[in-house]
Amino acid sequence: QVQLQQSGPGLVKPSQTLSLTCAIYGDSVSSNSAAWNWIRQTPSRGLQWLGRTYYRSKWYNDYAVSVKSRISINPDTSKNQFSLQLNSVTPEDTAVYYCARQEGGYKSWGQGTLVTVSS
Amino acid sequence: DIVMTQSPDSLAVSLGERATINCKSSQSVLYSSNNKNYLAWYQQKPGQPPKLLIYWASTRESGVPDRFSGSGSGTDFTLTISSLQAEDVAVYYCQHYYNPPYTFGQGTKLEIK
Repeated sequence: QVQLQQSGPGLVKPSQTLSLTCAIYGDSVSSNSAAWNWIRQTPSRGLQWLGRTYYRSKWYNDYAVSVKSRISINPDTSKNQFSLQLNSVTPEDTAVYYCARQEGGYKSWGQGTLVTVSS
Repeated sequence: DIVMTQSPDSLAVSLGERATINCKSSQSVLYSSNNKNYLAWYQQKPGQPPKLLIYWASTRESGVPDRFSGSGSGTDFTLTISSLQAEDVAVYYCQHYYNPPYTFGQGTKLEIK
């Protein structure tokens, strides 16, 4: 049973960088079959896929077009985790952020982190 | 982007009765090379992350009760709960994972009548 544990601040100031980490237990971030995703959820926009990182002999990333200029998702093999960085945040980025493991569907999810963008 | 549209937005069903939720994708999510539909269903309860119920459109995730079933192919899919239990009250989402971005439906809120 794979478990994901999220960490990171719940409050970020406008124009600053949102940073979250997802620690992986029971699998490897370098898995050749899984992909590691970030998703966010708001009442108005629902569930929004942000991007993913995955390893298939080398590292790959896919990002949602809506955040592509501001987002970076990176693996950390030494700590078996992956991270989300979202630059130049605005109040529109206020949401519950989830990390999730993809193998087919999203079988494992982090607990969720409410991130509020406010001064 | 593939747009996922669920119907209805909300649904009230009596305990023990059947609940049916529909999901339509704006383009086919059937991958011809392996004949698999890249479609999943999730259940979300308040304060919790979504929980995977069904993947490949009709494969039940381990531990999910067999009253949950998925069907459909191409662009039209259905989640059926054969006999509604009180613990099934939740919001249900479909999602495609055919190619990025992996979009979700808007959700269907299921309540007890």
